[in-house]
Parts: sequence; C-alpha cells; structure tokens
Amino acid sequence: EAGVAQSPRYKIIEKRQSVAFWCNPISGHATLYWYQQILGQGPKLLIQFQNNGVVDDSQLPKDRFSAERLKGVDSTLKIQPAKLEDSAVYLCASSLGLAGGPETDTQYFGPGTRLTVL
Amino acid sequence: KQEVTQIPAALSVPEGENLVLNCSFTDSAIYNLQWFRQDPGKGLTSLLLIQSSQREQTSGRLNASLDKSSGRSTLYIAASQPGDSATYLCAVKATDSWGKLQFGAGTQVVVTP
Repeated sequence: EAGVAQSPRYKIIEKRQSVAFWCNPISGHATLYWYQQILGQGPKLLIQFQNNGVVDDSQLPKDRFSAERLKGVDSTLKIQPAKLEDSAVYLCASSLGLAGGPETDTQYFGPGTRLTVL
Repeated sequence: KQEVTQIPAALSVPEGENLVLNCSFTDSAIYNLQWFRQDPGKGLTSLLLIQSSQREQTSGRLNASLDKSSGRSTLYIAASQPGDSATYLCAVKATDSWGKLQFGAGTQVVVTP
C-alpha cells in the first residue's frame, strides 16, 4: 500500500514570496491533516479536512495561509506572502475517518516538506 | 487548554538497556493517546494508540501505559537497539475535538552500541 506522498521535499524562498505544497493521501482515507513542525517542537495542526470539507482550521493563519482539497483527494497548502517565522517542516497526514477506534483514528504521515524562508 | 509535556528532551542509553519515556498532559478529558516515532528528515510513524478506556497497549518490544487520572503515559522499549535511535512523540486527542492531536515536543533517544 502506498503511503502519503508530499512534494516538494525541500523549498527555499525569500520572505514575501509565495509557495505551495502538495499532498496525496493514502487511497480511501477520508480525513487529511496539514501540520506545521518548527524545529524542536511537536507538530501543530494547521487544517483538517473530512473529504473536501474543512473540519478545523482554528490554528491556520488565514491572512497568509490557504488550503484546499479538491474532489476530496489531493490537497494543496499555500503561503502568500511568506515570513521568516514560517520556516518549518510541513507535514501532511491522513486517516480513514474521524472516530470509531484505532483503525480509523491512526494517522499516517508523509515525509514532509522542509521550508526555509530567507 | 491542553498542554503535553515530554521530559527529558534527550536521552542516551547503551544498547540492551530498557528505555522509559514519559509523557504528561494537563487535561484528563482525552479520547486517546498515541505514541509516534520520528526519524531525521522523515515523517512520523505511529507506534501505539491507547484508547481512554485502556490502561496499556503492547506491540513487540513496546509497551505503553496510560493513567488518565494523573495525566501520564509511559512508553517502555525493552532491550534497546541502535535502530531505536529516533525522536519519540506523544500526542493526545481530546474528547471534544474532531481528531485534532495535541503533540508534545518529543524525546530524542540515542542508543549507543
């Protein structure tokens, strides 16, 4: 079974530029998550989709971050304009569903995109 | 607001020794607690998931316990190997959330041959 795919793996940009990250979840997984992981910290949830609807985006800086999940499969996370403090690893994860036990709750993570903002 | 803490931040043990990793959380109203492993430059791998109604969960050399009343979980790794070197993170899912995980900062483990 293929895992969660993310691209690009690395990105270096100047501040005020824009950048986009792509995620392809595991086939059949209804729930998709985007996390931001700053060096030395645990991941922080930015946005969560259930199929193509947003379930939680309470920690997404909406003035500069946006995300979409067209057709309930792939997802794109965009930052425009980027700030120095956006330097982090952006992780995408997916799970079967929201509730119902370990099988549906377990989140599977992609390798992440390491963003450096200069 | 839920706070998840992992102490120590880093740990080094000789091969063969048992590992004990700690996780504490401030709000006992959790749905489940998960332990993850993160290797450098890679994403997270789920190790164990403990439902709030469970006291422990085991998988191979790994055993995780959960004490909701005291807000603590412990991950035990028996007979550590150099391949166990990684960062271990715990995360809690609150009962009132839609699956959002609150992560600790992790414990970086080095197992020396």
